[in-house]
Amino acid sequence: DQQVKQNSPSLSVQEGRISILNCDYTNSMFDYFLWYKKYPAEGPTFLISISSIKDKNEDGRFTVFLNKSAKHLSLHIVPSQPGDSAVYFCAANSGGSNYKLTFGKGTLLTVNP
Amino acid sequence: KAGVTQTPRYLIKTRGQQVTLSCSPISGHRSVSWYQQTPGQGLQFLFEYFSETQRNKGNFPGRFSGRQFSNSRSEMNVSTLELGDSALYLCASSLAAGGGYTFGSGTRLTVV
Repeated sequence: DQQVKQNSPSLSVQEGRISILNCDYTNSMFDYFLWYKKYPAEGPTFLISISSIKDKNEDGRFTVFLNKSAKHLSLHIVPSQPGDSAVYFCAANSGGSNYKLTFGKGTLLTVNP
Repeated sequence: KAGVTQTPRYLIKTRGQQVTLSCSPISGHRSVSWYQQTPGQGLQFLFEYFSETQRNKGNFPGRFSGRQFSNSRSEMNVSTLELGDSALYLCASSLAAGGGYTFGSGTRLTVV
């Protein structure tokens, strides 16, 4: 039972263009969502998060959009840079007494120079 | 400010043995979580500790256990190792429960 799904295992974009990474969830109790970036042989690095009371959050080149009715969120990276090439994980938390993150399986982003 | 430190970085064990992995959280962080990453399953939650108490546990067999010490350092133990336990084990710490966890670089465990 995969509660957080990243249906695209990989994505390739040109430097300077927009990268859009998608994530769907099934658990309506999730109320906090996060994106992490991971390079090989390193732990995931926190990028940006969004609470379910919002539908958009921006931080520099990174913007996360949340569509609660569709149970869908996306991460936009503009402009994409070669250093953004990594695996991106979507994660969700249901707050309250549930102290765990549920992760998607990740999307490998490749930004070509 | 030192990050989350996990030791050792790499480990090779034989089936049937047991292993203990260590995690030192960021200073001041009292919540420590453990995750297992495998190619097929992605990152899966093992357990979370806060002030030496386990508050949540994932769907792993009882061979997987952990503990947290008074200085917030944490250890996880896997007994009777199986080939399928080969994975990257990640520790993450946070000031409090919820999002924004900072991850360590992980311990790569190989069971042969």
